[in-house]
Amino acid sequence: DGGITQSPKYLFRKEGQNVTLSCEQNLNHDAMYWYRQDPGQGLRLIYYSQIVNDFQKGDIAEGYSVSREKKESFPLTVTSAQKNPTAFYLCASRTVTGGANNEQFFGPGTRLTVL
Amino acid sequence: AQSVAQPEDQVNVAEGNPLTVKCTYSVSGNPYLFWYVQYPNRGLQFLLKYITGDNLVKGSYGFEAEFNKSQTSFHLKKPSALVSDSALYFCAVSPRTGKLIFGQGTTLQVKP
Repeated sequence: DGGITQSPKYLFRKEGQNVTLSCEQNLNHDAMYWYRQDPGQGLRLIYYSQIVNDFQKGDIAEGYSVSREKKESFPLTVTSAQKNPTAFYLCASRTVTGGANNEQFFGPGTRLTVL
Repeated sequence: AQSVAQPEDQVNVAEGNPLTVKCTYSVSGNPYLFWYVQYPNRGLQFLLKYITGDNLVKGSYGFEAEFNKSQTSFHLKKPSALVSDSALYFCAVSPRTGKLIFGQGTTLQVKP
């Protein structure tokens, strides 16, 4: 899981609440990603950022928001508009030096449960 | 639509036997191909990737993968399975954008 930390490990949310998941990396990577993992569905991309102060929607961005104010940090907010937020959330980062063939490195994940 | 398929939800193999985890993809152009492994309640760990060149790629922990362009496949293999290889394996494809498209995952169960 090396160089990427996610907190908290477990998070419980009441319906109607916004919650923010933290992702920090010390790998000096430019690009960062947020994925959602549900059983049997693989990983789906929520948001990604290739550079500070810029980010793009992924395949399932509705109900989520992000910011990228610092290179090492890419927090994800799960808003009350996300209808089914219970899932395992994974953050990843990648160096862009050398091109698009560089692998992504993943954090340990945050398991979010809506009560 | 671009997609990655892992046709087996679970693969069972006896320790010491060879294993294969299958992956096929439908992505235009010449994508980059990756395999990751995930242990319970953990993040994904990178195993290996294919960029160009030799169709047989060697990676971490004795794993290798064979790229077949005509069949658009990238199967993960290991000559001799270990019980500790039991985990969830993901194939992922990048259409050279830096983004990854993941398969749904295959659970590998290695029995002693």
